[in-house]
Amino acid sequence: AQSVTQPDIHITVSEGASLELRCNYSYGATPYLFWYVQSPGQGLQLLLKYFSGDTLVQGIKGFEAEFKRSQSSFNLRKPSVHWSDAAEYFCAVRSNDYKLSFGAGTTVTVRA
Amino acid sequence: DGGITQSPKYLFRKEGQNVTLSCEQNLNHDAMYWYRQDPGQGLRLIYYSQIVNDFQKGDIAEGYSVSREKKESFPLTVTSAQKNPTAFYLCASSILGQGPRSYGYTFGSGTRLTVV
Repeated sequence: AQSVTQPDIHITVSEGASLELRCNYSYGATPYLFWYVQSPGQGLQLLLKYFSGDTLVQGIKGFEAEFKRSQSSFNLRKPSVHWSDAAEYFCAVRSNDYKLSFGAGTTVTVRA
Repeated sequence: DGGITQSPKYLFRKEGQNVTLSCEQNLNHDAMYWYRQDPGQGLRLIYYSQIVNDFQKGDIAEGYSVSREKKESFPLTVTSAQKNPTAFYLCASSILGQGPRSYGYTFGSGTRLTVV
């Protein structure tokens, strides 16, 4: 069965600083990987996805993620965070039967 | 615009009562899903359906029931057998098959259920 680990429960970053959120996955076959963002009391919005090809994928809101098969990782990055990036971020892996398994999430706080 | 509508946004019920959460989509997606979200636990799959009149249990189906009589609708009933029903419930849908469009989920805005 597939699983996702997000090692960091909470990250605090200064506005304008860079951000990296870690994600490690466990899946036997080629993984389909996703990053979602959630604002308080809202649903999840897709930031980016990886399913094949270039291991560096670009998403919305200036985010990017790099797939590293050797490390079973799919870390999310943003070069310069904005106060509006404060939210909870979820990494997910999709199985062959289309089910998504999510990590526990990382809460990002942005300080002025 | 197409999307997923969950209603109501907030729901309060007394302990021991069944309650039904609504989820409707106009995206013509094949599959629909219900997730439960609790602080620090991410999202856990309750039930999913890939075709009308068929559905499968997810990881935490006990105390919940669903139906899929129409492609657009996938209501979730939280029964009195669910021991800890207070949570945030999210509905999602997806396309099945091959190709990039099939790889992601679209989520509704959620229903916060509080049982007192």
